[in-house]
Amino acid sequence: DAKTTQPNSMESNEEEPVHLPCNHSTISGTDYIHWYRQLPSQGPEYVIHGLTSNVNNRMASLAIAEDRKSSTLILHRATLRDAAVYYCILIISNFGNEKLTFGTGTRLTIIP
Amino acid sequence: EPEVTQTPSHQVTQMGQEVILRCVPISNHLYFYWYRQILGQKVEFLVSFYNNEISEKSEIFDDQFSVERPDGSNFTLKIRSTKLEDSAMYFCASRPTRGQYEKLFFGSGTQLSVL
Repeated sequence: DAKTTQPNSMESNEEEPVHLPCNHSTISGTDYIHWYRQLPSQGPEYVIHGLTSNVNNRMASLAIAEDRKSSTLILHRATLRDAAVYYCILIISNFGNEKLTFGTGTRLTIIP
Repeated sequence: EPEVTQTPSHQVTQMGQEVILRCVPISNHLYFYWYRQILGQKVEFLVSFYNNEISEKSEIFDDQFSVERPDGSNFTLKIRSTKLEDSAMYFCASRPTRGQYEKLFFGSGTQLSVL
């Protein structure tokens, strides 16, 4: 499985933007970049995904580097409810790949 | 938004006993998954299931584990003879298709405690 590297933990003040980085230097041309998060005592939750272009949805934005070897999840205005573990996951272009492979993720702490 | 539901939310069992964890995936989804998360550790893939058969499984999914879709709505994970190290949170997930752009929908999990 293609590997991603994320910081173990980050902190941010409430109501400020948060930038969560992910390195995926071994990404292949058609691998999708997905982000999930896991709130305490809950299952993982989809946040956003992208291929080449930057993406926005109601939860977050995803900025993808031009060479696609890194990406950044952007929470525009963090709230206490955004405290979670955030996972950056590559969905490889092998048609037979059925699974998402979770890394250790980034534990985001929001400071009131 | 539609949800994946899992029952029970907590299950306590004695070592060596059989357990069945139940999941109701989202109704029009075709691909189903089981993951687990041991306390304090990362989420681990167990198995994927499509068209009434296993598509892919991990090394964790040994002969003690089996999955079934008995009635077209439920998706179950059976552990035949539980071990202490099977204690974990088990998550069911589903997705409508297998495309790389498709997101997984996860249930809220079943906490299995093996005593």
